[in-house]
Amino acid sequence: EAGVAQSPRYKIIEKRQSVAFWCNPISGHATLYWYQQILGQGPKLLIQFQNNGVVDDSQLPKDRFSAERLKGVDSTLKIQPAKLEDSAVYLCASSQVGWTSVRETQYFGPGTRLLVL
Amino acid sequence: QKEVEQDPGPLSVPEGAIVSLNCTYSNSAFQYFMWYRQYSRKGPELLMYTYSSGNKEDGRFTAQVDKSSKYISLFIRDSQPSDSATYLCAMSKGAQKLVFGQGTRLTINP
Repeated sequence: EAGVAQSPRYKIIEKRQSVAFWCNPISGHATLYWYQQILGQGPKLLIQFQNNGVVDDSQLPKDRFSAERLKGVDSTLKIQPAKLEDSAVYLCASSQVGWTSVRETQYFGPGTRLLVL
Repeated sequence: QKEVEQDPGPLSVPEGAIVSLNCTYSNSAFQYFMWYRQYSRKGPELLMYTYSSGNKEDGRFTAQVDKSSKYISLFIRDSQPSDSATYLCAMSKGAQKLVFGQGTRLTINP
């Protein structure tokens, strides 16, 4: 079974520029998550999709971050304009349904490392 | 105060030692407790999962939850160099978002 795919793996941009990340979840997984992991910290949920709909985006800085999941499969996360504090690893995860149970493990991709200069 | 507190380490132990990793939390509504392992430049992977209080064992790994003390632990027996990674505790109230600890960086020395 193929895992969660993310691209690009690394990105370096200057502040005020825009950047986009792409995620392809495990086939058949209805729920998709985007996390931000700042160096030395645990992942923080930015947004959770159930199929096409947003379940939780309470921690997404909506003035600069946006995300979409078209057709309930792939997803993109965009930052515009980027700030220095956005430097982090952006992790995508997927699960079959969305319940936090042993049957609904979140599978994480390798992440995209973003450096904002 | 953070909802979940975890000592970032780093923690370095010799091969074969018993490792103890811990997290404390402040929200008594948490019911689901997990431990994730994250290798360098990889995404986290679920290691152990526990619902409510009690112990759970899986091979060399044992997870303990003490809800009365708001304290969870992960024990690794007969530690191996391949166990070297960052260990993240995570918890949730149910069908809601996971709240992660800071992660403890562990090195097992051959």
